[in-house]
Amino acid sequence: GAVVSQHPSRVICKSGTSVKIECRSLDFQATTMFWYRQFPKKSLMLMATSNEGSKATYEQGVEKDKFLINHASLTLSTLTVTSAHPEDSSFYICSATPSSGRSGDEQFFGPGTRLTVL
Amino acid sequence: RKEVEQDPGPFNVPEGATVAFNCTYSNSASQSFFWYRQDCRKEPKLLMSVYSSGNEDGRFTAQLNRASQYISLLIRDSKLSDSATYLCVVNGRYSTLTFGKGTMLLVSP
Repeated sequence: GAVVSQHPSRVICKSGTSVKIECRSLDFQATTMFWYRQFPKKSLMLMATSNEGSKATYEQGVEKDKFLINHASLTLSTLTVTSAHPEDSSFYICSATPSSGRSGDEQFFGPGTRLTVL
Repeated sequence: RKEVEQDPGPFNVPEGATVAFNCTYSNSASQSFFWYRQDCRKEPKLLMSVYSSGNEDGRFTAQLNRASQYISLLIRDSKLSDSATYLCVVNGRYSTLTFGKGTMLLVSP
């Protein structure tokens, strides 16, 4: 089956620092990857759609200068939380759609990254 | 109206019980529907897609009512391992997915 990895799985950092999270599709190519955020007892909220070789599409209310997304290859997307603050503490999850898949189907999720900003 | 709405539960049921979850969605143009399962502090995992004609996978049955914009999931013969949060998911624009908040199921011995 399709496997998506994320690194790191958990990170604790001081307020004001930047944190980079990697999302990799291990056995398939993904033209499109998605970044979600989930606060405790809340639903997954789509932050942005990451397209290989082009700029990410951000959802309303998500600051593109704060959450930098780079999708430099068909198997890797990175999310950088710049100048992180305690309110950015959350569970960040990426997903990927195989390039050969039908639109809207089969998003495979990474295991998530739990970010805690002190 | 929220895009995808679910009863958050929790649903507390004994082993062996049958339990049903419902979900409504607001976008009448949605074409793809899914149930995902999410365990505590883990990523969501696809449980099953939902097709117009309804579909079954073992103890799980999913149904879709487009006219009412309503999706359901039925779990028969509940197992302890079924305890999780069940997420109703609907496709949005440009291949995105919209998640409901989830319905928590607790199966007890």
